[in-house]
Amino acid sequence: DAGVIQSPRHEVTEMGQEVTLRCKPISGHNSLFWYRQTMMRGLELLIYFNNNVPIDDSGMPEDRFSAKMPNASFSTLKIQPSEPRDSAVYFCASSFSGADEAFFGQGTRLTVV
Amino acid sequence: AQRVTQPEKLLSVFKGAPVELKCNYSYSGSPELFWYVQYSRQRLQLLLRHISRESIKGFTADLNKGETSFHLKKPFAQEEDSAMYYCALIGKGAQKLVFGQGTRLTINP
Repeated sequence: DAGVIQSPRHEVTEMGQEVTLRCKPISGHNSLFWYRQTMMRGLELLIYFNNNVPIDDSGMPEDRFSAKMPNASFSTLKIQPSEPRDSAVYFCASSFSGADEAFFGQGTRLTVV
Repeated sequence: AQRVTQPEKLLSVFKGAPVELKCNYSYSGSPELFWYVQYSRQRLQLLLRHISRESIKGFTADLNKGETSFHLKKPFAQEEDSAMYYCALIGKGAQKLVFGQGTRLTINP
């Protein structure tokens, strides 16, 4: 298994544009997490899914952010419209169960100008 | 509510010196605690978890329920220990994995 795969690795977009980040979890894992990493706030949990169902989205900063998991092998995080303060590294992670080791993707570095 | 606090954003020590990265948590039930590490240009990965009670790369961490702490320690730092370290918590039987703000550890030669 190639591990958790995120795309794109880097994204530069203009303010106001829609941004879609993608994640393919490890096959067989049933928990998926989206995190945002910044210097000021560290790793913030945005949302997590269990068996493709969103369990807790209280970390999603505002309505501009949305996440979906249409099946066990794919999830998206969408920002519409994007703003410069959304610039960060976004990580996806998956685990067999929430209490097990979480495996991280390489992250997507988003820059909104 | 689950909360993890790492009071030091930056920590710098000399090679061979002892290292302690602090982590305090807030959780009303029984937590499971982890340390994750992110080396330069690598993915964030698990370093150790409290239930394993093992030493990984010379690091140990003891869960102190009285002080609600899970500090990471190593008696003799090595240059390859330079990395970003995150303390994380998940409630027993829960699924929400929450991280602290992270500590960037730099080992000086």
